[in-house]
Amino acid sequence: AQSVTQPDIHITVSEGASLELRCNYSYGATPYLFWYVQSPGQGLQLLLKYFSGDTLVQGIKGFEAEFKRSQSSFNLRKPSVHWSDAAEYFCAVVPLTGFQKLVFGTGTRLLVSP
Amino acid sequence: EAGVTQFPSHSVIEKGQTVTLRCDPISGHDNLYWYRRVMGKEIKFLLHFVKESKQDESGMPNNRFLAERTGGTYSTLKVQPAELEDSGVYFCASSQDRTTDTQYFGPGTRLTVL
Repeated sequence: AQSVTQPDIHITVSEGASLELRCNYSYGATPYLFWYVQSPGQGLQLLLKYFSGDTLVQGIKGFEAEFKRSQSSFNLRKPSVHWSDAAEYFCAVVPLTGFQKLVFGTGTRLLVSP
Repeated sequence: EAGVTQFPSHSVIEKGQTVTLRCDPISGHDNLYWYRRVMGKEIKFLLHFVKESKQDESGMPNNRFLAERTGGTYSTLKVQPAELEDSGVYFCASSQDRTTDTQYFGPGTRLTVL
């Protein structure tokens, strides 16, 4: 079945440590790929997106993501986490079916410890 | 430029009552989407408007849900009658005119059905 998987429900990282959030998708053709973040009380904000080209994508707030076709993955990374990064992160895809709806993973909640 | 706005931010109603959620997209955005997140689950697509027309309503759970977009501007999502399982956060998003255009999300309406 077509799906987006975020295997980690919660992750705790120390401030200043590196971060990697995992995302795998299961689609026949590589969909458009996105990472969104939701901070408490806020709407979802786009961090970055991948459609084609360079497989390492730079986003806002110092985040980057790497597309790996062989692994059907689009993992999000940040070299040094700040306390303000504590939020819920969503991986999402737009399948290449002609419709524009986002299909989301279940989200990963990031906790940042001092 | 104003972002996507949603009203109300919270709504608490009793089973069997009617609730209407409103979304104002970013000015000039032809595409408007509704999504819902039920507690503990992923964010799921409900429907997509292009201007005033429903492009895709495949995610609408049943005929208790009615979405409209008057004149291609704001949209309303009515739930009548509300059931317990309708509780969750309802997000609205808007985008310009291409599949690759970013969907900008509102802060969501948290609906609680008692």
